[in-house]
Amino acid sequence: DAGVIQSPRHEVTEMGQEVTLRCKPISGHDYLFWYRQTMMRGLELLIYFNNNVPIDDSGMPEDRFSAKMPNASFSTLKIQPSEPRDSAVYFCATRDRATDTQYFGPGTRLTVL
Amino acid sequence: AQSVSQHNHHVILSEAASLELGCNYSYGGTVNLFWYVQYPGQHLQLLLKYFSGDPLVKGIKGFEAEFIKSKFSFNLRKPSVQWSDTAEYFCAVGTNAGKSTFGDGTTLTVKP
Repeated sequence: DAGVIQSPRHEVTEMGQEVTLRCKPISGHDYLFWYRQTMMRGLELLIYFNNNVPIDDSGMPEDRFSAKMPNASFSTLKIQPSEPRDSAVYFCATRDRATDTQYFGPGTRLTVL
Repeated sequence: AQSVSQHNHHVILSEAASLELGCNYSYGGTVNLFWYVQYPGQHLQLLLKYFSGDPLVKGIKGFEAEFIKSKFSFNLRKPSVQWSDTAEYFCAVGTNAGKSTFGDGTTLTVKP
């Protein structure tokens, strides 16, 4: 298995632009998580899905952030409009139900100028 | 809801020194316990995990952790660290309910 796939790996954009981050989970995993990591705030859970259904989005910082999981093979995290304080590494992770273990993707490093 | 506390924010050791990173959790039920490692510039990956059975679990690269139920602790140890162990280490607690709760992480710097 290729593991969790995220794209793009790096994104540089200007303030006010829309940003879409993508995640392809490991086949068969039942939960999908979106995290944000910064030096100041550490690792933060933004939202997670179970069987494509959003379960808890209380970690989403503002209405500018939205996430979808239209099917078991794909999820997106969108920021519209983006701001410099959104600069961070965004990780997608999925859970192996049999072992309760999370597998992280390589992350998307977002820079908002 | 469960919570995880990692006692040390930053640990600096010389090569060959012994390592122990503290982790305590709060949850009244059955838990699954994890240590994840994040090498510089990389993503988190599983180091070791405890589900049941022998409370002393061994992971990759010579790491081990001991689950002490009475103390709600799951401390990570390594007898002799190497420069390549420089990384951030996260303790996490799962309850088979889907989501795991992560600690704030401990940054380990090993000086050659």
